[in-house]
Amino acid sequence: EAQVTQNPRYLITVTGKKLTVTCSQNMNHEYMSWYRQDPGLGLRQIYYSMNVEVTDKGDVPEGYKVSRKEKRNFPLILESPSPNQTSLYFCASRPDRDSGNTIYFGEGSWLTVV
Amino acid sequence: LAKTTQPISMDSYEGQEVNITCSHNNIATNDYITWYQQFPSQGPRFIIQGYKTKVTNEVASLFIPADRKSSTLSLPRVSLSDTAVYYCLVGDRGSTLGRLYFGRGTQLTVWP
Repeated sequence: EAQVTQNPRYLITVTGKKLTVTCSQNMNHEYMSWYRQDPGLGLRQIYYSMNVEVTDKGDVPEGYKVSRKEKRNFPLILESPSPNQTSLYFCASRPDRDSGNTIYFGEGSWLTVV
Repeated sequence: LAKTTQPISMDSYEGQEVNITCSHNNIATNDYITWYQQFPSQGPRFIIQGYKTKVTNEVASLFIPADRKSSTLSLPRVSLSDTAVYYCLVGDRGSTLGRLYFGRGTQLTVWP
């Protein structure tokens, strides 16, 4: 089954404790991206990757890092989480450049930083 | 980066047709218009995509005027299960633009 898988789905952590949210897709997609969703603010793009070793900032990259060492994986790293990073996070992927904007989303990761 | 403007919320009753309009005044020549549906605590799901005129699939229609500065998502005969947030997305067809702007979306509430 074609899917985008995120882990963990739910996490409560403390300020300053590094954490990584993993994202994996099994569709051989070139493009992957991370979004955060907060009440009243819709979906905001954090980082995206057009292919392996190619990443770039979205609208709200501060406090986050990403890497794309393999085509299927795109982890989101919070080096020193803060409470304002409490949010619902979505990973997404898209096929090659001719596929339009048909984006496949993961199920989301609820992150609480206390 | 073309940004979009949609109504914050809309209400409808079961069985009615719902039209949600999205404004995208700065749309570029290569941009496509895509609509997504999102239920609470789930990732958005693709509904329909178009470039110009009209596109129809099994769940919705998308109307795009000649100037392409707006688009209208039409949901025929909505049901309670259509209650969701709908996002209009404008972006290049993947050739160079990785940044995609979803905006705040339109909360559609369908009443019995």
